Amino acid sequence: DIQMTQSPASLSASLGETISIECRASEDIYSNLAWYQQKSGKSPQLLIYAANRLQDGVPSRFSGSGSGTQYSLKISGMQPEDEGDYFCLQGSKFPLTFGSGTKLEIK
Amino acid sequence: QVQLKESGPGLVQPSQTLSLTCTVSGFSLTSYNVHWVRQPPGKGLEWMGRMRYNGDTSYNSALKSRLSISRDTSKNQVFLKMNSLQTDDTGTYYCTRDPDLDYFDYWGQGVMVTVSS
Repeated sequence: DIQMTQSPASLSASLGETISIECRASEDIYSNLAWYQQKSGKSPQLLIYAANRLQDGVPSRFSGSGSGTQYSLKISGMQPEDEGDYFCLQGSKFPLTFGSGTKLEIK
Repeated sequence: QVQLKESGPGLVQPSQTLSLTCTVSGFSLTSYNVHWVRQPPGKGLEWMGRMRYNGDTSYNSALKSRLSISRDTSKNQVFLKMNSLQTDDTGTYYCTRDPDLDYFDYWGQGVMVTVSS
C-alpha cells in the first residue's frame, strides 16, 4: 500500500498568514493527489485535485503543487473560515490512501 | 444538484452484518463511480471500496473478505454490506462520488455506526 505521510499534524496561523501543508508519498503517485478540508461534524470538501487543479468554487487563496512523491497545499492569507482539518488523498493505486490530517487553527 | 445520502442502522451488534445504502441524485451511477470511505471517531480516513460506473467493484484488501458493494441503478442506490463486525468498525461511513479519476468530488453527509452489544 502507498503510505501518505502528512505534516504538520497541527498548525496555528494568524489571519492573513500564508501556510503550507505537506504530503509525502512512499512511492511516485504521478500527481494523483487531492486535498480536502473537513470542518467539525461535516463531510470533507474537495479543494484541489490532480495535485494543482483548483476545484470549482474554491477560493483562489488555496493552491496545490508538487510531483513525484512530494506535494503541498498552500493557503495564501489565512481566513477565519479556513479553520478545520485538512488531508490529502492519493489516487494513483488501490487501495486509495489518505494522509493522517492537519488540524489548522487561528492563532 | 449532486447529492449523496447514506442510510442505515446506527447500532450494530458485534459479529453481525452492517448494511448501508447510498442514495444518489443529480448524476447517474452509470456515468460516475461511487466509493465507500469510513472514519473511526477522532481518527483518519480509510478507503473501503468502489463501485465503478460499469458495475465493476474494487475492495480494500484489508476488508475484502468481509465486504460487498452492489448497486441498483434503477433506484440510484449503492449498497455496502460488511459482515463479522467488531468494535473497531465503529465510525462514520461515507459514500463519495468519483469522476473515474480516483478522487472524490462530492461526499455524503455520513452515517455514524456504532458496534456495541
